[in-house]
Order: sequence, then structure tokens, then C-alpha cells
Amino acid sequence: EPEVTQTPSHQVTQMGQEVILRCVPISNHLYFYWYRQILGQKVEFLVSFYNNEISEKSEIFDDQFSVERPDGSNFTLKIRSTKLEDSAMYFCASSLLGVADTQYFGPGTRLTVL
Amino acid sequence: DQQVKQNSPSLSVQEGRISILNCDYTNSMFDYFLWYKKYPAEGPTFLISISSIKDKNEDGRFTVFLNKSAKHLSLHIVPSQPGDSAVYFCAALYGGATNKLIFGTGTLLAVQP
Repeated sequence: EPEVTQTPSHQVTQMGQEVILRCVPISNHLYFYWYRQILGQKVEFLVSFYNNEISEKSEIFDDQFSVERPDGSNFTLKIRSTKLEDSAMYFCASSLLGVADTQYFGPGTRLTVL
Repeated sequence: DQQVKQNSPSLSVQEGRISILNCDYTNSMFDYFLWYKKYPAEGPTFLISISSIKDKNEDGRFTVFLNKSAKHLSLHIVPSQPGDSAVYFCAALYGGATNKLIFGTGTLLAVQP
């Protein structure tokens, strides 16, 4: 069964450093998403991406964040200058359709900012 | 942001019995609801969904019920199995122009052998 994959599974970085989290969505899906879950809190939406552009972003997704689909299979989330409060599980998801469609999640990347 | 609420942080059920997980929402614009199951250190796994035009959807041991007038949905698992032990999240989608999932806080289900 097709699945969303994410690398790395765990990333440790120093505050102020740039990190890139990588995702390979399900191959025929057209919509891509990033969510995060800070320990003990809800899963929160960050950004959605369709047709090579951001279709929606949350207030969390400020100028320090960017997303890219550099080729036909990868979808990346970059945090330019990490802060302590960026420590969280980051989940990539994809769906075939946009609205009213199931989003399938990857296993997540645990980001630890020291 | 309390648009989707799961008021029971945990639930314990005996193997073979029914598990009922509840979810309430406040925004009447939500028109698609999903349940996800999550194990520690893994991503949410899709279980079952329901559109607001239906009041019930069934898939094997899992049934979701939607009561729009009460803004309430529930997930029934029957019979419950020890492998069902996980955190269960309900999530909602707005109708129309957004595909941002709004998650509840989750309910930890423990199925006792």
C-alpha cells in the first residue's frame, strides 16, 4: 500500500541553524501538507501546497518557514533559523483531492532544537 | 482554538467489548470528519471518515456516527482488540475553500486483554 515517507526520523540542531525536513508524498497525490505536534499539544496545521505554490498557511508559518517541491517526488519544509520552540514532531501529509478528501500522514520527523 | 474537542483524555475497555470515542465540534461549517489512530512516535493513521451529508459510515469493526444537530460525532469499535490501544484523534475539514484539518486533543484508548 502506498505511503508517505519522511526523513530523517530525528533531527537535532542548534538554535539558529537551518534545517530541512524531507517528505515523499504518495505518488499520485496532488495536495501536500505539513503539520506539527508540540509535545502534549494538538496536531496543528502549518501549510498546504498545490500546483507548486502555497495554497494556505497558518499564523505559525512565518517567514522562517518555507516549502518546496524540488522535483517530482520530494516535498520539503525548511526552517531558516530554528528556535527552541520549534522543537516538535513534524508530519507531512498528502491527499489526492483538496477539500473533503482524506489526508494520509507520514511517520513524522522529531525535531529537537538545543 | 477549541473548535474540535475530545473531552475524554483516556478510555479503558475490556477486550471484546465496544469502545466508544466521542468528539464535539463548534463550527457548523465543518463538512467532513475523519478519525485517525496514532501510536507513540508514529504519524496519524487514517481510520474512517464521514461526510456531513451522512449520519453513519461503517468499515469493518469501525463505525462513525455523526449528529449534526448536536455537533457531535462518535467512533465505535466493536469488538475491541488489544492492538486497538492507541491515541485516537478526530479531525474536521471546513467546506469549500480550505483543506486545513482541525484536530481534537485525542483520546488514549487502552484495551485490556
